[in-house]
Amino acid sequence: EPEVTQTPSHQVTQMGQEVILRCVPISNHLYFYWYRQILGQKVEFLVSFYNNEISEKSEIFDDQFSVERPDGSNFTLKIRSTKLEDSAMYFCASSYLAGGGYNEQFFGPGTRLTVL
Amino acid sequence: AQSVTQLGSHVSVSEGALVLLRCNYSSSVPPYLFWYVQYPNQGLQLLLKYTTGATLVKGINGFEAEFKKSETSFHLTKPSAHMSDAAEYFCAVRRVTGNQFYFGTGTSLTVIP
Repeated sequence: EPEVTQTPSHQVTQMGQEVILRCVPISNHLYFYWYRQILGQKVEFLVSFYNNEISEKSEIFDDQFSVERPDGSNFTLKIRSTKLEDSAMYFCASSYLAGGGYNEQFFGPGTRLTVL
Repeated sequence: AQSVTQLGSHVSVSEGALVLLRCNYSSSVPPYLFWYVQYPNQGLQLLLKYTTGATLVKGINGFEAEFKKSETSFHLTKPSAHMSDAAEYFCAVRRVTGNQFYFGTGTSLTVIP
């Protein structure tokens, strides 16, 4: 069964460093998403991406964040200068459609980011 | 604005007992409603969803949920808990138009042998 994969599973970085989290969405999906979950808190939407551009983003997704689909398979989230409060589990998701009742988003296993 | 409230961050049930996980939403119009399950070290897996039609929806692993518009609720139930049901459960809503999910804070289910 096709699945969303994410690498690495755990990333440790120093405050101020840049990190890139990688995701491989399901191959025929067209819409891509990033969510994050700070420990003990709810899963929060960051951004959605379609046709090589951001379609929606939350207030969390500030100028420190960027997303890219550098090739036909990967979808990346870059944090330019990490802060302690960026420590969280980051989930990638993808869907074939958007909107409507049949838009099921498939989630990856997450990347745990720890900022020291 | 959309929001989701899950009552009870931790729920414990005995094996074979009824599972009831509560979810209430706040939305100006009825949204689409979802329950996801997260097993340790795994991603979010869709259990079931309500979009239109029958308000009682059945999902995987024997779970079901009922959309009650008058109560703005979408509680998750399972008649008989199994040890393998121990996991984190998230209720989520999505606007009918739009892609953004709004998740609750999650309920950790423990099943006692």
